[in-house]
Amino acid sequence: AQSVSQHNHHVILSEAASLELGCNYSYGGTVNLFWYVQYPGQHLQLLLKYFSGDPLVKGIKGFEAEFIKSKFSFNLRKPSVQWSDTAEYFCAVTAVSGGSYIPTFGRGTSLIVHP
Amino acid sequence: GAGVSQSPSNKVTEKGKDVELRCDPISGHTALYWYRQSLGQGLEFLIYFQGNSAPDKSGLPSDRFSAERTGGSVSTLTIQRTQQEDSAVYLCASSRSLMDTEAFFGQGTRLTVV
Repeated sequence: AQSVSQHNHHVILSEAASLELGCNYSYGGTVNLFWYVQYPGQHLQLLLKYFSGDPLVKGIKGFEAEFIKSKFSFNLRKPSVQWSDTAEYFCAVTAVSGGSYIPTFGRGTSLIVHP
Repeated sequence: GAGVSQSPSNKVTEKGKDVELRCDPISGHTALYWYRQSLGQGLEFLIYFQGNSAPDKSGLPSDRFSAERTGGSVSTLTIQRTQQEDSAVYLCASSRSLMDTEAFFGQGTRLTVV
């Protein structure tokens, strides 16, 4: 079965700073990768996803993530964060074949952006 | 409905009591998932349904936990003889199919066992 590791549990930034949140997964086969975001008091929602093709994926609100297969990584980036980006961010993976189609989530990263 | 609906949004119960948590998925979504979110622990997978069947119950933390889904729609997660360690946010999600690539989440039920 697959697993996901998010290295940064808490990140604190000032507005306009650049963001990179790490995500590594363990699974030897083909995967689909996701980043979900949970704003305070709201439900989890999809930020971006990777299935195949261009490993650089662009999502909503200026976020992007790069799939590096050799590193089993799918790091989330944003060049300039805003106060409204304060939220919990979760990386998730599903196995396309041989593993589990059930989304497996990392522990999450809490991002606080100071105005 | 427009989204995944969960009820109640908050539940406080006494230790030893049984609780039922309800999930109403997006209409037409055949796959339904239950997760538990504890502080600092991320999302812990509990169980999923494909239609009305639950092929994999291995994620349920103990035999006090059970879930069912009827009519391929509403699902109920039941916790019997609740314990304090059951306190968490219980999240339900649905997707068009098990192999579909996006899961849509409800707002969760915050369970507090006192």
